[in-house]
Amino acid sequence: EPEVTQTPSHQVTQMGQEVILRCVPISNHLYFYWYRQILGQKVEFLVSFYNNEISEKSEIFDDQFSVERPDGSNFTLKIRSTKLEDSAMYFCASSGGSRAYEQYFGPGTRLTVT
Amino acid sequence: AQSVAQPEDQVNVAEGNPLTVKCTYSVSGNPYLFWYVQYPNRGLQFLLKYITGDNLVKGSYGFEAEFNKSQTSFHLKKPSALVSDSALYFCAVRDIRGTGANNLFFGTGTRLTVIP
Repeated sequence: EPEVTQTPSHQVTQMGQEVILRCVPISNHLYFYWYRQILGQKVEFLVSFYNNEISEKSEIFDDQFSVERPDGSNFTLKIRSTKLEDSAMYFCASSGGSRAYEQYFGPGTRLTVT
Repeated sequence: AQSVAQPEDQVNVAEGNPLTVKCTYSVSGNPYLFWYVQYPNRGLQFLLKYITGDNLVKGSYGFEAEFNKSQTSFHLKKPSALVSDSALYFCAVRDIRGTGANNLFFGTGTRLTVIP
């Protein structure tokens, strides 16, 4: 069964550094998403992406964040200057086709900002 | 504004007993409701959804959920719990704001522990 993959599984970075989190969505999906989950808290929506542009973004997704689909398979989340409070699990998801309402999530990238 | 409430942080049930994980929602218009499960060190796995139609929705791994419009609830159920069902369960509602993709708004999660 096709699945969403994410790399790396764990990223440690220093405050102020840039990080890029990578995702490979399911190949025939058209909608892509990033969510985050701060330890012990609920999953929060960050941004959705369709047709090579942002469809929707939350208040969390400020100017420090950007997303890109650099090629036909990857979907990336960049944080330009990380803060301590960016430490969280970041999940990529995709949906599309005949089951557009079903989002399939990747295993997540744990980002630790020190 | 939409919201999802999972009133129980933790649910314990004996193996073989029926289980219920509660969820209530608040949305404008018709709700699109979902249940996801998260196993340790794993991503969220889709269990089931309610979009329209029959109020009783069947999903993966023997789970089902009942949509109750009058009570604005979407409780997750299973007739006979397995130890392997122990995980974190999230209820979610589709965010109807904007015109974009089907952004999900999640509840705080309920940790289910099935006791052998």
